[in-house]
Amino acid sequence: EVQVVESGGGLVQPGGSLRLSCAASGFTFNTYAMNWVRQAPGKGLEWISSISGSGGGTYYADSVRGRFTISRDNSKNTLYLQMNSLRAEDTAAYYCAKGEYFDSSGYYYLDYWGQGTLVTVSS
Amino acid sequence: EIVLTQSPGTLVLSPGERATLSCRASQSVFSSYLAWYQQKPGQAPRLLIYGASRRATGIPDRFSGSGSGTVFTLTISRLEPEDCAVYYCQQYVSSPLTFGGGTKVEIK
Repeated sequence: EVQVVESGGGLVQPGGSLRLSCAASGFTFNTYAMNWVRQAPGKGLEWISSISGSGGGTYYADSVRGRFTISRDNSKNTLYLQMNSLRAEDTAAYYCAKGEYFDSSGYYYLDYWGQGTLVTVSS
Repeated sequence: EIVLTQSPGTLVLSPGERATLSCRASQSVFSSYLAWYQQKPGQAPRLLIYGASRRATGIPDRFSGSGSGTVFTLTISRLEPEDCAVYYCQQYVSSPLTFGGGTKVEIK
């Protein structure tokens, strides 16, 4: 059974840092892209970052580029999101989501999601 | 960036009725790289449909997706009380991945 479980959320002051983790199981972790998607309270979904299976390719939304860093440890089946220079507008539930390839093109949809971890940025 | 616009914002229907949700893209979603997700209150999103029309594993056949290019539709043929949720479309052909704003389905 595929499972992804996030951890590491909490309350942090503006300008502070936090590292989120996502522990994965039930699939061959290093062959799938992984993603972070966030949802501000009462709002919709926003993709913020993804990483290729090998870790060699990383991608970011403009809203977090330069402040957030995605990484993975394939020996531990774990995905990370290092968040620096946090702002009030980063307050959200952060979801880890596995990418599933649709075809040989390399494009993928998000087939398994964790339950999310809440990040609150406030003084 | 491909902008996805969902309509209506809220749909209020009775059990057994048919729900039709629309997702329009600002530019063509090549090869129907479009997915639909269901999110119930307090829960994570769940994949319903990928490739515009392919049901994900375990999804009841009352859920169906259609469309191509810039116009896509999610249909729930016979609403059940547990279908009360927000539904999001998402394109995965172009970076950044983008989601629509969601359609909330309420059951009378």
